[in-house]
Amino acid sequence: EADIYQTPRYLVIGTGKKITLECSQTMGHDKMYWYQQDPGMELHLIHYSYGVNSTEKGDLSSESTVSRIRTEHFPLTLESARPSHTSQYLCASSGYRGGYTFGSGTRLTVV
Amino acid sequence: DQQVKQNSPSLSVQEGRISILNCDYTNSMFDYFLWYKKYPAEGPTFLISISSIKDKNEDGRFTVFLNKSAKHLSLHIVPSQPGDSAVYFCAASASGTYKYIFGTGTRLKVLA
Repeated sequence: EADIYQTPRYLVIGTGKKITLECSQTMGHDKMYWYQQDPGMELHLIHYSYGVNSTEKGDLSSESTVSRIRTEHFPLTLESARPSHTSQYLCASSGYRGGYTFGSGTRLTVV
Repeated sequence: DQQVKQNSPSLSVQEGRISILNCDYTNSMFDYFLWYKKYPAEGPTFLISISSIKDKNEDGRFTVFLNKSAKHLSLHIVPSQPGDSAVYFCAASASGTYKYIFGTGTRLKVLA
């Protein structure tokens, strides 16, 4: 059973639409992350948070924004979706250095 | 500049044989390494980790070896099973950070 949940699993949306990808975890982890992965490519860190009201941009520049108002919730928002945003978005959390727990991912297609 | 490299995009192995997946890194500050397994349309799942104070860590069929001088780690799966067919990512982090840098992955196919 998953302890970190991402919705939706799949999303096809038109250019210019605003979208929010949801990520919630029930493990009480302080640290949460968003990664972006294109097929055959590495996972790129786009946002991370080390706690409530703390957010940082990752190594890969992204037009998305995040918020962390509650420990368990770390949504990612695209104000105006474009075809270049088509990708898989993976949310993860960590309560210790031992590693991440990943969600199932959201596969986003912008047409 | 890729700090974590998996130079083999794919690997095919016969069922029952050993699978060896390789990973190289360039940042000497990395001191903690993970391997993840990923099926299509799912998030990665944690497999095994190793700290730089060790050169080997074993968990069932999975063993990770770390060669710090060569900045190289490898994942051995013995015996390989068809259910092991997936994409395997190695990831590295440096002490004091909680961020992991991932490689591009190696697609393993275990043939029955």
